Amino acid sequence: DAGITQSPRHKVTETGTPVTLRCHQTENHRYMYWYRQDPGHGLRLIHYSYGVKDTDKGEVSDGYSVSRSKTEDFLLTLESATSSQTSVYFCAISRDRGPDTQYFGPGTRLTVL
Amino acid sequence: GESVGLHLPTLSVQEGDNSIINCAYSNSASDYFIWYKQESGKGPQFIIDIRSNMDKRQGQRVTVLLNKTVKHLSLQIAATQPGDSAVYFCAGKNTGNQFYFGTGTSLTVIP
Repeated sequence: DAGITQSPRHKVTETGTPVTLRCHQTENHRYMYWYRQDPGHGLRLIHYSYGVKDTDKGEVSDGYSVSRSKTEDFLLTLESATSSQTSVYFCAISRDRGPDTQYFGPGTRLTVL
Repeated sequence: GESVGLHLPTLSVQEGDNSIINCAYSNSASDYFIWYKQESGKGPQFIIDIRSNMDKRQGQRVTVLLNKTVKHLSLQIAATQPGDSAVYFCAGKNTGNQFYFGTGTSLTVIP
């Protein structure tokens, strides 16, 4: 998985609780992304980062926040989890923002009860 | 909005046959495309990419064809093997540098 790890790999939580997912890369790539994958939908971008402390919203950012304090780590936080946020979350990295391949991590399966 | 979609949700092929998986996209300004393979419980794995200034690109046992006139791309897998069983999806990037992903075609290889 191109030097990308995600933690935890599985999590079950209750509605209203905060949840933080972590993505860690060893490739020193500048760009990092968080996607969610749901049945019937293609991967959808939540947030992305183009450098330490530099982040921007994707198409489904409501209810999510991110932080990037180090090149290698990108955190996704659900401030107050809802059942609609039950999904599989993937982190991806790329060297550049332009036409450049994105490499994906193994994913985190999150269930919000 | 932008979209890429695959033509068939499922595809079954005999081992040894060639597989063709299709994808259509909506934005004629899309300039870069990627095919991914996703096995159950794993993250998407890069297979092959193609830029819009190309019509064809070949990899190991895989070929991607891009037809910009009809906004269509295909992934051809030669001599399909059981290990090729997975979900395949395409992704397109537009000039705004965002990727749009298809929902995937589930390929089953019959021994």
